[in-house]
Amino acid sequence: DTEVTQTPKHLVMGMTNKKSLKCEQHMGHRAMYWYKQKAKKPPELMFVYSYEKLSINESVPSRFSPECPNSSLLNLHLHALQPEDSALYLCASSQREDYGYTFGSGTRLTVV
Amino acid sequence: GENVEQHPSTLSVQEGDSAVIKCTYSDSASNYFPWYKQELGKRPQLIIDIRSNVGEKKDQRIAVTLNKTAKHFSLHITETQPEDSAVYFCAASPRRKLIFGAGTRLAVHP
Repeated sequence: DTEVTQTPKHLVMGMTNKKSLKCEQHMGHRAMYWYKQKAKKPPELMFVYSYEKLSINESVPSRFSPECPNSSLLNLHLHALQPEDSALYLCASSQREDYGYTFGSGTRLTVV
Repeated sequence: GENVEQHPSTLSVQEGDSAVIKCTYSDSASNYFPWYKQELGKRPQLIIDIRSNVGEKKDQRIAVTLNKTAKHFSLHITETQPEDSAVYFCAASPRRKLIFGAGTRLAVHP
């Protein structure tokens, strides 16, 4: 298995909702990431997990809460989002924190 | 700080021509430089990468060059085809992160 799988592919949520994005990989990668991508912009790093521990938080608002239950799974919990949080959320994993990134297909999130 | 600049923002070529995209980075701690191709509505896909101890790498029609002293690296695509049309992102990896350039929209016209 050489893929990073993200669910759901599309999500529409209200500003008072709580939802979660899920990411799974079975490549034995020990680093996992969340990126946010707005239209016509590059991906922006949000969080880095290394060996299941949060190693980097790029000053992301607390309405985004990451979780790494095990070495294959990464979640992003969403609460009280704003319309400007609408974007493509990409999960990635890598063999090391500086090499060999693989991206998932993303979750396209719309906040209404 | 950590910054990657990418030029040009758009590039239009005729099928069969070569295309060159250039990036510069600011953090000298960067040691890994991948290039991604992203088609509309799809995930970024790694097309080639280079590490700081190598000056050039080639894979069929695609090549990347790195000048660590000048802190710049370039993507070269030869014999372009319409299916090469996409957005291309360069990236640099300082301090356990992957920082992307702003992207180049490449259009290859038949």
